[in-house]
Amino acid sequence: NAGVTQTPKFQVLKTGQSMTLQCAQDMNHEYMSWYRQDPGMGLRLIHYSVGAGITDQGEVPNGYNVSRSTTEDFPLRLLSAAPSQTSVYFCASSREGVAGGGNEQFFGPGTRLTVL
Amino acid sequence: AQSVTQPDIHITVSEGASLELRCNYSYGATPYLFWYVQSPGQGLQLLLKYFSGDTLVQGIKGFEAEFKRSQSSFNLRKPSVHWSDAAEYFCAVGPTGTASKLTFGTGTRLQVTL
Repeated sequence: NAGVTQTPKFQVLKTGQSMTLQCAQDMNHEYMSWYRQDPGMGLRLIHYSVGAGITDQGEVPNGYNVSRSTTEDFPLRLLSAAPSQTSVYFCASSREGVAGGGNEQFFGPGTRLTVL
Repeated sequence: AQSVTQPDIHITVSEGASLELRCNYSYGATPYLFWYVQSPGQGLQLLLKYFSGDTLVQGIKGFEAEFKRSQSSFNLRKPSVHWSDAAEYFCAVGPTGTASKLTFGTGTRLQVTL
């Protein structure tokens, strides 16, 4: 298994440009999430999905869109990039049901985004 | 709302010394607690987790953590630190029912001197 993969690893955008960060997992996990990591702030949840066709907002959703058309993929779209979106973005996935006795989140390697 | 506090931003220890990283949480019910490690330029890797049962949890790489409900703490410990343990460590708390909505602390960066 490749686990959670993210592309690209690095990206530089100009203010106002749009782009999509790709995330895929091959573990048949129902839950997928997007976080951003900023110095001194830890990881903050942007959006998450509990299954194909179902998404919800996290702590910092403004300026980002997501969709979940398949179990495997969970792309994150920046509609009009702003310098405040300069960050490292992590995608994570986990199998359904914490009540099942254990639900580790598996993280991708991250995408480092710079918005000029 | 749930929250996690890691009071130490940066800690330096000598190789072979013991380590304790502090984590305090705020949550209305019994939380699910996690410790993750992030090596430079890498994603996060789960060290250990507490869901229920024994309050002393063993993890990978020789780490352990103890859940203390009375102190709302989940401190991470290692008896003897190795130079390869230098990394950033994150404590996280999740609500019952889903692990997707994790709340992370701001992290503690560990430096190991030889």
